[in-house]
Amino acid sequence: DGGITQSPKYLFRKEGQNVTLSCEQNLNHDAMYWYRQDPGQGLRLIYYSQIVNDFQKGDIAEGYSVSREKKESFPLTVTSAQKNPTAFYLCASSIQGARDYGYTFGSGTRLTVV
Amino acid sequence: AQSVTQPDIHITVSEGASLELRCNYSYGATPYLFWYVQSPGQGLQLLLKYFSGDTLVQGIKGFEAEFKRSQSSFNLRKPSVHWSDAAEYFCAAATSGTYKYIFGTGTRLKVLA
Repeated sequence: DGGITQSPKYLFRKEGQNVTLSCEQNLNHDAMYWYRQDPGQGLRLIYYSQIVNDFQKGDIAEGYSVSREKKESFPLTVTSAQKNPTAFYLCASSIQGARDYGYTFGSGTRLTVV
Repeated sequence: AQSVTQPDIHITVSEGASLELRCNYSYGATPYLFWYVQSPGQGLQLLLKYFSGDTLVQGIKGFEAEFKRSQSSFNLRKPSVHWSDAAEYFCAAATSGTYKYIFGTGTRLKVLA
């Protein structure tokens, strides 16, 4: 079955560490997205990519980095510059034009700073 | 600025009762509108979407939503709620030429047995 796989499901980070969250899709979708979810704040866009080797900052990109070397993969790195990284991170993908078909979401990664 | 508002943070209903979750949007033109559902610790699942045409749209799991241009609203409804409907519901909007959604802050639904 096609879908989006996020790993790991739970991730713990020490102060000052960089960590990378994995997102892989086998839906042949062109566009991929990273959202951050905090209680009471809904979903906020971190980065998105419409095609391979191209990506754009979202609303809260500071302290994060991404790459899109393959169509199937869109990893997110949470750097030590992100001062409050504890959150639930959701990856999504869409056929070109999310407005037409909607997003397919992964099951998320919960990141906790220890 | 474009925005999506879900005025109810929490809603509690009894099993078998009807449900209406509110969503209002602020856009220059009518956006494409969506409702998603999220179970605890999971990703979001698309319930239904509105692009144009019939203002009453049917979705999965027995949900429907009505688009009202005059009220800038896209409320989600279900005639009879089941205990398994307990989850968080998000309204979202997107406009032509964009790959990005704007999400509301969500409404958490609790269902009483």
